Amino acid sequence: SQKIEQNSEALNIQEGKTATLTCNYTNYSPAYLQWYRQDPGRGPVFLLLIRENEKEKRKERLKVTFDTTLKQSLFHITASQPADSATYLCALKDSNYQLIWGAGTKLIIKP
Amino acid sequence: DTGVSQDPRHKITKRGQNVTFRCDPISEHNRLYWYRQTLGQGPEFLTYFQNEAQLEKSRLLSDRFSAERPKGSFSTLEIQRTEQGDSAMYLCASSLGVGGTEAFFGQGTRLTVV
Repeated sequence: SQKIEQNSEALNIQEGKTATLTCNYTNYSPAYLQWYRQDPGRGPVFLLLIRENEKEKRKERLKVTFDTTLKQSLFHITASQPADSATYLCALKDSNYQLIWGAGTKLIIKP
Repeated sequence: DTGVSQDPRHKITKRGQNVTFRCDPISEHNRLYWYRQTLGQGPEFLTYFQNEAQLEKSRLLSDRFSAERPKGSFSTLEIQRTEQGDSAMYLCASSLGVGGTEAFFGQGTRLTVV
């Protein structure tokens, strides 16, 4: 069955630098992959969606890439700010209706 | 606030009791999902509704769990005979239309079974 792997260790980045988070999946390439942000005690908030025929997607300081050969998506935050500190989750389409989720990577931006 | 609303935000119950949670999705959204999330993990799919029809249910879901979405609007998730292992955050999400659209999540209901 499809599995998603995200780095379970927290990522510490200096303010102003680019943060890069990784999402790897194990089996078939999904039709699309999504990235969400989650703050403690709150539900996830959608950030970006990238489809299998897209290599890259951008939104303001965010950029997502999708490499179906490597079975990997990278999520970049440029000019990072302390307010970007959160857990970032990737999710991909599994069955007709399900998304399956990674465990998330905690990002800490230090001033 | 016209986002997804969940009630209650927190629930503490004794083992063996039944609990029911409510989710009010964004009004025009026809798709509604329930997830469970434990600390340090991503959301785990429980069930999915399209309008009032429950179209998919996790194979891992115990028979103690049941969900309804009468009239295709709000949804309820009931857990019967709660166990300590049911302690988790229960998240509801809604979305509109075909696959590939973003899901909007509620704040979640934090369940603690003592």
